[in-house]
Parts: sequence; C-alpha cells; structure tokens
Amino acid sequence: AQKITQTQPGMFVQEKEAVTLDCTYDTSDPSYGLFWYKQPSSGEMIFLIYQGSYDQQNATEGRYSLNFQKARKSANLVISASQLGDSAMYFCAMRGGMDSSYKLIFGSGTRLLVRP
Amino acid sequence: NAGVTQTPKFRVLKTGQSMTLLCAQDMNHEYMYWYRQDPGMGLRLIHYSVGEGTTAKGEVPDGYNVSRLKKQNFLLGLESAAPSQTSVYFCASSLYREPNQPQHFGDGTRLSIL
Repeated sequence: AQKITQTQPGMFVQEKEAVTLDCTYDTSDPSYGLFWYKQPSSGEMIFLIYQGSYDQQNATEGRYSLNFQKARKSANLVISASQLGDSAMYFCAMRGGMDSSYKLIFGSGTRLLVRP
Repeated sequence: NAGVTQTPKFRVLKTGQSMTLLCAQDMNHEYMYWYRQDPGMGLRLIHYSVGEGTTAKGEVPDGYNVSRLKKQNFLLGLESAAPSQTSVYFCASSLYREPNQPQHFGDGTRLSIL
C-alpha cells in the first residue's frame, strides 16, 4: 500500500532563513510522482513542486527545491530565504499506482510558521 | 483563469438533509476527483472520474454519490447528511493519468452538519 509520512506537525523558521520539511514515502510502484502543496490559512491548495521517480536531478522551482533520496524513500521540501507569506500548511503527496485512478495520497501535513 | 471552481463555498446542513456540491473545470481535464480534508488527516479520496460518464469509488465513498454527466462538471451528493460528514471538501482535476501530472484544486467547500 502507498503511504506518505510527514513527521513534523509544526515547524518554526526565522524570516530569511532556509527550512526543510520532511517527507518519507512507501510504494511498490516503479513509476510514481511526488508533489508538494501549500495550503495557506485561506484554505486553497497550491501546487509547489513535482519530482518524478525516474528524474535524475532534484526538482527546483524558485525558492523551492526538493531533496529527493530514492534509496531512502524521502522527498524533503527545502524553502530558501523564508518569507512571512510562507506561513502555511504544507502537504507532501504521491501519485502513481497500478490502479486506474492515479489518485494523490497525502501526508498529514506540516504547519510552518515564519517568524519576523 | 477560472481553473477549478467549487460551489458553494460554505454550507450548514441539518442531519438527514441532502445537498449537492458542484465542481466545474474549464481546462478540458479528463480526470476529476473529490477529496475530503479532516483535521490532522490530510486529504482522502472520496470518488473520482476518469472521463465523462464514468465514476469510481475512492478510499472513503460511503454516504456519498457522484455524477459526471458533462466532462467539465463533477457533482458530489450527500443523500442523508450525517455529522461525520462535517469536513472541508476539495475538488481536483488533472489532464492525464500519468504520475507526473499535478492535480489542480478548487478552493474548497466548508460543510458543517448539525
């Protein structure tokens, strides 16, 4: 069965510093995708970054990067130069699957608070 | 850029009442999904559709029904609402089934069942 684990319920970071949000996953599928979504207090789900299981390089999108360690089954999100607007809930998710849905499996999330 | 639009945004129901949540996407996506989000549990899949006229059950389908009569619309129905269905409901869509396709989410519907 596929599973996503986020072990940090809450994190604090000082403005302008970098922060790493942890994500480990479990799957037996050879092909899968890993995603990070941001959910601000307003509630919407915002797609941040994607990493494919066959990608050789770690994904980057602006201040977001994904530290992908396939052997350890981890896909940690790194946010550089934190901003106050980064305060939000962050979800790691996986999509893959031998079934037809290719649904997203979500972790329980990490709440990040950026301190001024 | 409408993307994925959910209506209504908020709703309060009494136990036993019925209602329908509407999801509309203007991106010509084949795949559509309904999730529910409960505190501390992330999002869980209720039902999904791989194309017009098709629907299938997800992880937590009990108490819900869905219909996809038009490609752009995906409806979620509660026939007899129960307090356990108090949650935030998200609709999502994606163009393809491949794992590298992100799902695009609506803004959510906050539903309270009294």
